[in-house]
Amino acid sequence: QVQLHQSGPGLVKPSQTLSLTCAISGDSVSSNSVDWNWIRQSPSRGLEWLGRTYYRSKWYDDYALSVKSRITINPDTSKNQFSLLLNSVTPEDTAVYYCARSGSDKGFDPWGQGTLVTVSS
Amino acid sequence: QSVLTQPPSASGTPGQRVTISCSGNSSNTGRYNVFWYQQLPGTAPKLLIYRNNQRPSGVPDRFSGSKSGTSASLTISGLRSEDEADYYCAAWDDSLSGVVFGGGTKLTV
Repeated sequence: QVQLHQSGPGLVKPSQTLSLTCAISGDSVSSNSVDWNWIRQSPSRGLEWLGRTYYRSKWYDDYALSVKSRITINPDTSKNQFSLLLNSVTPEDTAVYYCARSGSDKGFDPWGQGTLVTVSS
Repeated sequence: QSVLTQPPSASGTPGQRVTISCSGNSSNTGRYNVFWYQQLPGTAPKLLIYRNNQRPSGVPDRFSGSKSGTSASLTISGLRSEDEADYYCAAWDDSLSGVVFGGGTKLTV
C-alpha cells in the first residue's frame, strides 16, 4: 500500500520560498511507470495542479504555466521522496498543498495528507 | 474560474440517484480521459473514477462514470448520507500542458 507523508512549514513570509517534502512508502520515486505531483487547493483558485517529476530512464519534470517561472520539483532518491520549491511567494499562494502519485492514466492516487501553507508577514 | 465546468451544487435523498456533469472542450475532456475525485470535509481528495468509467478497487459500484464528446458525468446510485462531499472532475489539457480541474460540486444528501 502506497502512502505519502508531507512535511514542511505552515507559514512563509511574502517574497520568500515555500518548501515542502513528500516522503514515499510502498513505492519508489525512481519508478518508471508513475509520476509524482504537487497540487494545491484554495477557496479562490480551487484545485490547481502545479507540476510533476518522473523517471523514464532519466528525470523529467512538467510545470503548470501559472507557476512555471517560480517552481521546482526535485526527486531525492536517497530518501525516496520529492520536494516542492515555490519562490517569490505572495498571499495568493496561500493554500492547502498536496502531493500525489499518478501514472498509466490511473489518476491521482494516493494523495498526501495536505499541508496548509499561509503566506503572511 | 475553472477550466472544466461543474454545477456548484447537487442534492438528493437517501436511495435516489444523482448525476453530476463536467463540461470541457476539445483540448481537454474531448481528447483525454476524465477522472473524478471525492473530497470529504477536512480530508484530501480521493480517486473515485479513472479513464472515464473505471473504478479503483474499494470504490462501491454505486459510483459510475461516463463520457461523451466533451462532456462527462458521474452518477451515484442508491445515495447514502456518507456520500455527502465535494466532487471534482479532472483531465489533461493540451493548451495549458497540464491537468485541469472542475470547480467542484457540493453534494448534499
